[in-house]
Amino acid sequence: EIVLTQSPGTLSLSPGERATLSCRASQSVSSNYLAWYQQKPGQAPRLLIYATSSRATGIPDRFSGSGSGTDFTLTISRLEPEDFAVYYCQQYGSSPYTFGQGTKLEIK
Amino acid sequence: QLQLQESGPGLVKPSETLSLTCTVSGGSISSSSYYWGWIRQPPGKGLEWIGSIYYSGSTYYNPSLKSRVTISVDTSKNQFSLKLNSVTAADTAVYYCARHVQSRDWFDPWGQGTLVTVSS
Repeated sequence: EIVLTQSPGTLSLSPGERATLSCRASQSVSSNYLAWYQQKPGQAPRLLIYATSSRATGIPDRFSGSGSGTDFTLTISRLEPEDFAVYYCQQYGSSPYTFGQGTKLEIK
Repeated sequence: QLQLQESGPGLVKPSETLSLTCTVSGGSISSSSYYWGWIRQPPGKGLEWIGSIYYSGSTYYNPSLKSRVTISVDTSKNQFSLKLNSVTAADTAVYYCARHVQSRDWFDPWGQGTLVTVSS
């Protein structure tokens, strides 16, 4: 099973700033099959990024993903108030599919 | 627009079986290449994939839960279901259903989720 470790656990930033979230895998993720989700309180996760760097339908271009192998990054270029939430990475290169423990992005 | 909706009891007693159903609307559960999965999230914690099913009935499960899980599909009702037996308090979680595509197994869309509490 591939273990995903996200850092930092909590990130405190202000609107307009740049956010960089990390996801590290315990072994190489096959074909860079990595996705990112955003979850707000009381809501289901929402797909942001798939295949490391492809934005899902309707996702603003301030969200971008990068990385390969075992190290992946989600970048939010300029934070909007609605971006403060919890973010999860997920690998689907091998079964069982696994998620990171999440990074909480909070308003500073 | 495809929508998924979970339903089932919100309270289950320890050692009993948790049973949930996901109803798919706005699309057919029998569409080729789509898999239908269950994911859970204990309160305040992260996400765990439970297992998935194809409309033909082919299933695959997370080994950590495989001995207790059964996922089935009813194409006539456009539904798929989850059964988790011998539950304990550790199975208390929000349970989500979601769609994924074979070999492109990110989850989208998701149902709104349903909280199941295991307690006597």
